Amino acid sequence: DAMVIQNPRYQVTQFGKPVTLSCSQTLNHNVMYWYQQKSSQAPKLLFHYYDKDFNNEADTPDNFQSRRPNTSFCFLDIRSPGLGDAAMYLCATSRVGGAGETQYFGPGTRLLVL
Amino acid sequence: GQQVMQIPQYQHVQEGEDFTTYCNSSTTLSNIQWYKQRPGGHPVFLIQLVKSGEVKKQKRLTFQFGEAKKNSSLHITATQTTDVGTYFCAGRGGNQFYFGTGTSLTVIP
Repeated sequence: DAMVIQNPRYQVTQFGKPVTLSCSQTLNHNVMYWYQQKSSQAPKLLFHYYDKDFNNEADTPDNFQSRRPNTSFCFLDIRSPGLGDAAMYLCATSRVGGAGETQYFGPGTRLLVL
Repeated sequence: GQQVMQIPQYQHVQEGEDFTTYCNSSTTLSNIQWYKQRPGGHPVFLIQLVKSGEVKKQKRLTFQFGEAKKNSSLHITATQTTDVGTYFCAGRGGNQFYFGTGTSLTVIP
């Protein structure tokens, strides 16, 4: 089945130690998104790629970076995680046009910062 | 800046009762989407509304997009325990896509 895959499902890192979260998709969608979701809050969009074009949200900290080497994969790099970065990180994809911007979410990676 | 607020924030209902969540945007939205997120899960797309005043139904769920395209509602008739979760509206205003603040629904058997 076509899907959005996130690995790992749980990630533990140390304060200040760089960490990378990964997302892959078999939907062949041209847009990929990264969201941060903290407990009992709405997902907050960090940035998205439209094909290779990177679109950063204005309030996304510089500590968060992203790479999209090809259509299928997208990575979230947190350069120096702080305790406040502990959250669920959700990857989503969409195909602009057709069904509009319906977003298909992966299961998320829960990040714990020690 | 753009805000998409939902009320209520939390709702507890007895199984069989109806439930409604309201979504209000500070600016006009080109479309509105609704997602459901089960506890411990990820958001799952429910429906998209595009036209002013549009109403769509999915079994016990009724979705409405306001005439001014700044508000929307989701109504569930005769809730079931499987309806438990947080319901988010989301929409595009200008060149930005926003999730609403969410309504967490608890259904008491």
